[in-house]
Amino acid sequence: AQTVTQSQPEMSVQEAETVTLSCTYDTSENNYYLFWYKQPPSRQMILVIRQEAYKQQNATENRFSVNFQKAAKSFSLKISDSQLGDTAMYFCARNNFNKFYFGSGTKLNVKP
Amino acid sequence: GAVVSQHPSRVICKSGTSVKIECRSLDFQATTMFWYRQFPKQSLMLMATSNEGSKATYEQGVEKDKFLINHASLTLSTLTVTSAHPEDSSFYICSASPPTWQETQYFGPGTRLLVL
Repeated sequence: AQTVTQSQPEMSVQEAETVTLSCTYDTSENNYYLFWYKQPPSRQMILVIRQEAYKQQNATENRFSVNFQKAAKSFSLKISDSQLGDTAMYFCARNNFNKFYFGSGTKLNVKP
Repeated sequence: GAVVSQHPSRVICKSGTSVKIECRSLDFQATTMFWYRQFPKQSLMLMATSNEGSKATYEQGVEKDKFLINHASLTLSTLTVTSAHPEDSSFYICSASPPTWQETQYFGPGTRLLVL
């Protein structure tokens, strides 16, 4: 089954603190890509970060980084120095022959 | 780069009418575009894959006669909801991948459809 699981429906974090969003997935492929997308209240899907499965080094984009554990099929997103503008739905996704499979999403609330 | 636009952003129509939604890749050519549907507080559900110059590929359970897709050029795909009913009310999002990042999808801003 090509599933992506996000087990945290909602999370809260204080401004300037660090938060980690979890994601696990299922695949029989050896090479694939993983993504985190952000969907703010405007509902525009914004690419946050992507990871190529054959690269062991964890991807980093400014305050956003991932912890990619290929054997465990785990792909968590760490947001450092959380900002109010980070408040949004976060979706984990995996591609399979250019089709995307999305998790159910985690609603992140950043509190002032 | 990799900007995708959608038009209209919001549409209200009467039951039984047809509605067309456009998806454009603004700064790249896309041989493949994707159409998603998102219900409130839910994830994105892939409806179909739009292929330039050929028929769209629909996901299981999606009525191809209900949701007509046309990909007439490398920068434009259209989704037409035919004979719309209130249950078709939803948020429709398209996406496309630029040639240099084919594994990554960039999304349009979405279209909110309300059928009365």
